[in-house]
Amino acid sequence: SQTIHQWPATLVQPVGSPLSLECTVEGTSNPNLYWYRQAAGRGLQLLFYSVGIGQISSEVPQNLSASRPQDRQFILSSKKLLLSDSGFYLCAWSVLAGGPTGELFFGEGSRLTVL
Amino acid sequence: SQQGEEDPQALSIQEGENATMNCSYKTSINNLQWYRQNSGRGLVHLILIRSNEREKHSGRLRVTLDTSKKSSSLLITASRAADTASYFCLNNAGNMLTFGGGTRLMVKP
Repeated sequence: SQTIHQWPATLVQPVGSPLSLECTVEGTSNPNLYWYRQAAGRGLQLLFYSVGIGQISSEVPQNLSASRPQDRQFILSSKKLLLSDSGFYLCAWSVLAGGPTGELFFGEGSRLTVL
Repeated sequence: SQQGEEDPQALSIQEGENATMNCSYKTSINNLQWYRQNSGRGLVHLILIRSNEREKHSGRLRVTLDTSKKSSSLLITASRAADTASYFCLNNAGNMLTFGGGTRLMVKP
């Protein structure tokens, strides 16, 4: 069965520090991968999605970046965090476009607080 | 980018009542999905309705889709306190999977 792991679960970082959030998927190949951000009590904002290794599409210009060094690994990074980067970050995967449902499977999220 | 909008933003009902949430979207879709999120957790898929379907049922859930109005509704019948959560609709248009703002449902025992 497929599983998705996301870490760290909680992170408190000072402004200007770097960030690295990791997400890995097991039990499937060639998935679409997604990073979403959710501000407190709000909806989900799509940050990045990837259809393959090294292929990253960005939806929102910001100081965040994403990388996909391996088929089932997706990393969200920042060189210098801003206060506005605080939020709940969710990684998700789906069957590659053209699959039967496009259903998203989510990790448990990483809560980032920038002080 | 596409953006679904749910209404109401918040809904408070008594256990046993029905809860109805609505979602509108702006572009064509392959399918529309509804998800549930417990506080501080990841989202869990509830039900999917394809663009050529008008109604779908799953247990106490009923979803309708009106492509002419670009809208969908999620009905939870005989609500329970455990249904308390946020509910989101998702537009699926190929690689782009975009969520609406969500409805926060509180079911009082």
